[in-house]
Amino acid sequence: KNQVEQSPQSLIILEGKNCTLQCNYTVSPFSNLRWYKQDTGRGPVSLTIMTFSENTKSNGRYTATLDADTKQSSLHITASQLSDSASYICVVISSGGYNKLIFGAGTRLAVHP
Amino acid sequence: EAGVTQSPTHLIKTRGQQATLRCSPISGHTSVYWYQQALGLGLQFLLWYDEGEERNRGNFPPRFSGRQFPNYSSELNVNALELEDSALYLCASSLKYTDTQYFGPGTRLTVL
Repeated sequence: KNQVEQSPQSLIILEGKNCTLQCNYTVSPFSNLRWYKQDTGRGPVSLTIMTFSENTKSNGRYTATLDADTKQSSLHITASQLSDSASYICVVISSGGYNKLIFGAGTRLAVHP
Repeated sequence: EAGVTQSPTHLIKTRGQQATLRCSPISGHTSVYWYQQALGLGLQFLLWYDEGEERNRGNFPPRFSGRQFPNYSSELNVNALELEDSALYLCASSLKYTDTQYFGPGTRLTVL
């Protein structure tokens, strides 16, 4: 069964600190993996897209990693800001004909001053 | 460039009624996706349209249906509304099915 599991479910950190969010998946065949940021009450916004051959990709203070062998991805946030408070959603796209999107439940991050 | 737009912003219905939600994709995008996000839950994939045809469907009953028009805008219809249909319904569009999806602001549906 294709699944995407994210951990932790929620996280509280202090402003300026770093944090790492995890995403484990059992999706096959794998096409690519995406991290989205969703502010409360708004639509998700894409942070990164990673294909099978990519190990690391950065977008400002966000760095995503992908280990296709262990089927794990992480999203590292550096020097957190209050505006980083949001839900972070891992999405894995399965290939083979028309794609299928499998969403993780998300990690809710709260950055406190 | 205008982003994905959805209407209405809020919709209040009673059990058994029908709801129609609308989505206009980013200009040039041919794929439109619909998602349901119930309070406190993750995004659940509903439907995917591309070039006017339904390409993929999530694990939802047939009373959730939709269509895509020749101008690539889309409509989501929910028949025989149930209380648990109350959720934020998000629409996203992409240039091709492999490309990044851009999300609209959502329609919040409340079923009383």
